[in-house]
Amino acid sequence: QQQVKQSPQSLIVQKGGISIINCAYENTAFDYFPWYQQFPGKGPALLIAIRPDVSEKKEGRFTISFNKSAKQFSLHIMDSQPGDSATYFCAAENYGGSQGNLIFGKGTKLSVKP
Amino acid sequence: DVKVTQSSRYLVKRTGEKVFLECVQDMDHENMFWYRQDPGLGLRLIYFSYDVKMKEKGDIPEGYSVSREKKERFSLILESASTNQTSMYLCASRATGGVETQYFGPGTRLLVL
Repeated sequence: QQQVKQSPQSLIVQKGGISIINCAYENTAFDYFPWYQQFPGKGPALLIAIRPDVSEKKEGRFTISFNKSAKQFSLHIMDSQPGDSATYFCAAENYGGSQGNLIFGKGTKLSVKP
Repeated sequence: DVKVTQSSRYLVKRTGEKVFLECVQDMDHENMFWYRQDPGLGLRLIYFSYDVKMKEKGDIPEGYSVSREKKERFSLILESASTNQTSMYLCASRATGGVETQYFGPGTRLLVL
């Protein structure tokens, strides 16, 4: 029940296309859903995050869509660029619970072809 | 800017050696974490600490121990390194209170021969 399932494991998109990464969770107590971006040789860094009181959050070309009833959330990257090539991790947390820790998906390696 | 630094970017050790990985954060964060990252397995939590001298086991603590003597420093110790501990090790820190961002260090790539 603590797992976050992320798909696909890898993704190849043409420049200008839309990249979509999906995550699903079981624990209905989760109340914070961040996405982290990791470039080769670097540690992950927070990209965008959402709380379950909204169904969508957009920051520039990056959008999180959240479906509470389906227990799913996804990252959409519009107009994908070669510079977006990185590994993306979704995560979830029961922030209101005691000692909440982030539960990470297994990651998606995105390659954007010029 | 928050900065999380790790003592080494690359390490090569022999089987059976004791290995110390050091992590320092400069933002007075209460919480610190150690993860290992392996292809296809994502980020797995080894240990975390929410205060000085406090430690909690994560999902894969076997073969590891930690030390937190000062708030800014969190050390990961491999008591007797084994080849299956060859991995990328990531340290992170996070403040307490509100929904706070977790900040990661650049990672230490450890090769155990």
